[in-house]
Amino acid sequence: QQPVQSPQAVILREGEDAVINCSSSKALYSVHWYRQKHGEAPVFLMILLKGGEQKGHEKISASFNEKKQQSSLYLTASQLSYSGTYFCGTVGNDMRFGAGTRLTVKP
Amino acid sequence: DSGVTQTPKHLITATGQRVTLRCSPRSGDLSVYWYQQSLDQGLQFLIQYYNGEERAKGNILERFSAQQFPDLHSELNLSSLELGDSALYFCASSVGTGANTEAFFGQGTRLTVV
Repeated sequence: QQPVQSPQAVILREGEDAVINCSSSKALYSVHWYRQKHGEAPVFLMILLKGGEQKGHEKISASFNEKKQQSSLYLTASQLSYSGTYFCGTVGNDMRFGAGTRLTVKP
Repeated sequence: DSGVTQTPKHLITATGQRVTLRCSPRSGDLSVYWYQQSLDQGLQFLIQYYNGEERAKGNILERFSAQQFPDLHSELNLSSLELGDSALYFCASSVGTGANTEAFFGQGTRLTVV
């Protein structure tokens, strides 16, 4: 089962904040976050593991609620370079991605 | 450069044909994942291999098959191609089975079926 992401799209001005949510109906070992710019490969941002451990970019923060099988990605003081499509990947016995959230940051 | 190499980068073929997509994982990575991304869509999980063995299967059609070889490179075979198979096919690799290790994506193979 694919995780469900929301919102589908968001438009920000530089400096504004955004939250992207991800939820799964399956028990998860971890949640991964990736960003894909148009025409490029997805790039790793962060892993959130059960027990609270996180690995990833210093400037990006996220949370993982193991009981609810939900994760949120927090993008603060957004920059133009944050534009792209964000995918959450949920790892159970495999790694499946949500449909993505298209983030556009405007000057 | 992620270290994951996919060939070819582009492929144009006719309906009914068969193609093979190749993926060389990063050095030391044992897991290989295959994903299909149709135009402006999400990443559909196809299949995962770990150290030569199939580990998980997703929405992979019976016309598609894959394998991972002893040198850990992987191939995705697509046969009896249909127009709807046109998509970007990504391979990703990771050290472990995915739970606590990040995946690195190749640049993808863009398949166009005409």
